[in-house]
Amino acid sequence: NAGVTQTPKFRVLKTGQSMTLLCAQDMNHEYMYWYRQDPGMGLRLIHYSVGEGTTAKGEVPDGYNVSRLKKQNFLLGLESAAPSQTSVYFCASSIWYTQYFGPGTRLTVL
Amino acid sequence: AQTVTQSQPEMSVQEAETVTLSCTYDTSENNYYLFWYKQPPSRQMILVIRQEAYKQQNATENRFSVNFQKAAKSFSLKISDSQLGDTAMYFCAFMKHELTATSNSNSGYALNFGKGTSLLVTP
Repeated sequence: NAGVTQTPKFRVLKTGQSMTLLCAQDMNHEYMYWYRQDPGMGLRLIHYSVGEGTTAKGEVPDGYNVSRLKKQNFLLGLESAAPSQTSVYFCASSIWYTQYFGPGTRLTVL
Repeated sequence: AQTVTQSQPEMSVQEAETVTLSCTYDTSENNYYLFWYKQPPSRQMILVIRQEAYKQQNATENRFSVNFQKAAKSFSLKISDSQLGDTAMYFCAFMKHELTATSNSNSGYALNFGKGTSLLVTP
């Protein structure tokens, strides 16, 4: 039982490049979330999903897209990366109100 | 939107001593959940303790306990017998008691985090 995993752990992009972050969970959780963490701040919600095939915007959704084609996977896409998207990205999943977090992805946009 | 305030950016405590981390929140909701998460240098977010607002009894998990004051909208974390492994960032978080999420809402089960308190446990 791996819990919540994230791929990749680190990535460096140039401005304008695109990439997809993958989150996978093996706990059969309905709810999944993407957060970003910036220095001196707590985590902020980007997008979330309440089930396979559904997504919704969080607090800071601009510049990101998501997809939940399979229940166990939640993908976060950056179509045209900007330096302001340099951050640590966390995925989480939950079956009710307790969220379980992945280890995070450190993304740097130059 | 709910706001969560952690007024202590940094704290330190000696090993075996007790320390209390403060958290206040602002909400008009009556039913909600409160959490403390720990983030050690490994960056992993670890749930420390949670409290349901409808419960009057304060939650306790081993050396960790909370002082939940609903009227004052205060939710402090007490760490007893501090250990070196308790060194970490501690985040207070708020969650509304929401059973459904609408397509254009940031409600649902989303956590609203404070900015964190950096705790250093010294020998």
